[in-house]
Amino acid sequence: DAGITQSPRHKVTETGTPVTLRCHQTENHRYMYWYRQDPGHGLRLIHYSYGVKDTDKGEVSDGYSVSRSKTEDFLLTLESATSSQTSVYFCAAQGATLPYNEQFFGPGTRLTVL
Amino acid sequence: SQQGEEDPQALSIQEGENATMNCSYKTSINNLQWYRQNSGRGLVHLILIRSNERETHSGRLRVTLDTSKKSSSLLITASRAADTASYFCATDWKGGSEKLVFGKGMKLTVNP
Repeated sequence: DAGITQSPRHKVTETGTPVTLRCHQTENHRYMYWYRQDPGHGLRLIHYSYGVKDTDKGEVSDGYSVSRSKTEDFLLTLESATSSQTSVYFCAAQGATLPYNEQFFGPGTRLTVL
Repeated sequence: SQQGEEDPQALSIQEGENATMNCSYKTSINNLQWYRQNSGRGLVHLILIRSNERETHSGRLRVTLDTSKKSSSLLITASRAADTASYFCATDWKGGSEKLVFGKGMKLTVNP
């Protein structure tokens, strides 16, 4: 998985609780991303970061926040988890800019909100 | 909104046969990429084709791109059981983007 780890790998939580997922990369990539993957929807971008403390919203950002205080770490927080946020979450990183923008993915975190 | 749409959504073939997957997209792009996802794993980059290319190869993979039709195809030759996975196309945006938009994916099953 190209030096990208995610923690935890599995989590079960209850509606209304806060949840933080962590992504850690060792390759000094500039860009980092959080996606969610759901059946029938493919991968959808939640938030991304283009540098330390620089983040922006993706396609499905409502209910999520992110932080990036160090190049290697990108945190995704669900402020108050809902059942609709049950999903598999993937972190990705990308170092190069155009024209070559391959992304490297972590192994995923399976989150269940009861 | 998602750009890439893979077709077919599922394909089952026998080992040794070729597998062809198609992707259509909506806007102008710089690159189109194909990724593979094995069950329970993250996506892995397979191959990239630039908008000024018509075809590219990597091992048993062949990708074509038709920008006039906004479509691409991925051909896997001499398929193996280990090729069983989901395949996604991903596009960036010619306006300049560090973001990719992924299709919904296509499930390939290669039967031994």
